[in-house]
Amino acid sequence: QVQLLQSGAEVKKPGASVKVSCKVSGFTFTNYYLHWVRQAPGQGLEWMGAITLSDGGTAYTQSLQGRVTMTRDTSTDIFYMELTRLRSEDTAVYHCVRERGGGLFDYWGQGTLVTVSS
Amino acid sequence: QTVVTQEPSMTVSPGGTVTLTCASSTGAVTSGCSPNWFQQKPGQTPRPLVHSIHNKHSWTPARFSGSLLGGKAALTLSGVQPEDEAEYYCLLFCGGTWVFGGGTKLTVL
Repeated sequence: QVQLLQSGAEVKKPGASVKVSCKVSGFTFTNYYLHWVRQAPGQGLEWMGAITLSDGGTAYTQSLQGRVTMTRDTSTDIFYMELTRLRSEDTAVYHCVRERGGGLFDYWGQGTLVTVSS
Repeated sequence: QTVVTQEPSMTVSPGGTVTLTCASSTGAVTSGCSPNWFQQKPGQTPRPLVHSIHNKHSWTPARFSGSLLGGKAALTLSGVQPEDEAEYYCLLFCGGTWVFGGGTKLTVL
């Protein structure tokens, strides 16, 4: 069955970086994308960007350009989202989300809480 | 940057019908915007309900339906149940990038 299993909670200081992982299994990667979505406490959902599962191509939201990088490890089927120069406003739950090509969003990872605090 | 707008809150009586909408600052929402709808209850991960305007997932109750209405994406709940009280988010690809709406808090009262 399809599974998106994320890494555990992180606590970081302002200015540091965080790398959240999402292990994907249960399906073949052709024509699928992995998106990253975050939700600050008490706030709405924010689309951060996406990576093509088959070839690693990426697209990021403009507001995070230069701070976010999405990568894949093809040997382990683990996908990563790294966010640098962390600020308190980056405190949020981060989710990986599968999209079947054509805009069909279906499976979500369980979420990873990243807390940025001095 | 594209802005996607939803009603901040709506209230409906049990058994009633309510329509939530989702507008894009780029203009009319079309099939090319690939509208998706999600339901989120407190403390839970968002649950996908509808994709590509009106297509439901296998787990989506029949009382939920998606459409295009007056240049917006719309989610209609017919025969609302108490358990439908939740936050509802739309997601659009209208401006060449994916953008979530701010969410609609639906109260069943």
